[in-house]
Amino acid sequence: QKEVEQNSGPLSVPEGAIASLNCTYSDRGSQSFFWYRQYSGKSPELIMSIYSNGDKEDGRFTAQLNKASQYVSLLIRDSQPSDSATYLCAVDASGGSYIPTFGRGTSLIVHP
Amino acid sequence: KAGVTQTPRYLIKTRGQQVTLSCSPISGHRSVSWYQQTPGQGLQFLFEYFSETQRNKGNFPGRFSGRQFSNSRSEMNVSTLELGDSALYLCASSVDRWNSYEQYFGPGTRLTVT
Repeated sequence: QKEVEQNSGPLSVPEGAIASLNCTYSDRGSQSFFWYRQYSGKSPELIMSIYSNGDKEDGRFTAQLNKASQYVSLLIRDSQPSDSATYLCAVDASGGSYIPTFGRGTSLIVHP
Repeated sequence: KAGVTQTPRYLIKTRGQQVTLSCSPISGHRSVSWYQQTPGQGLQFLFEYFSETQRNKGNFPGRFSGRQFSNSRSEMNVSTLELGDSALYLCASSVDRWNSYEQYFGPGTRLTVT
């Protein structure tokens, strides 16, 4: 059973701070990694994808991937109250099924 | 470009009934996946269709079925509804096999079984 683990939180950070969200995965053969943001009552929204070791930046978001340690993280700089949501980590499955496994998500609260 | 659309947005059914949900993917997307999301189990994969063929299937009973049409639109059906089927059903589309993990979700159908 391929697993994707996330701390459920809530992670509470003050406005303007850096929020750090972490995800570990069990399938060593995974090649694709995704972060989704889900507001309460809404559907998940893709915010970042990363395929290679290292950092990938997009605006205030930075995804970090370390395949050797099997973890992927998401940094949100200058956090805003509008960033308050649940962040889902998704990891592909090796072996050709191409179906990602989703973590249970981390709840982020950015307080003014 | 229009996003993924799902109909209906809300449904209330009684136990034992059946239900059909519809999903229209983003134009040009050929892969459609269905997920069930509940507070207790999180986001769980139901099945994926590509070019009218079911390519992958999750661990759900046979009461859950789906299909995809030649225009990539997809439907899922749940027969003999149970109380535990109450959930948010999400459809996600992606371009093709290479980018199959960059999935874009529709707004979901909220199903309540009473």
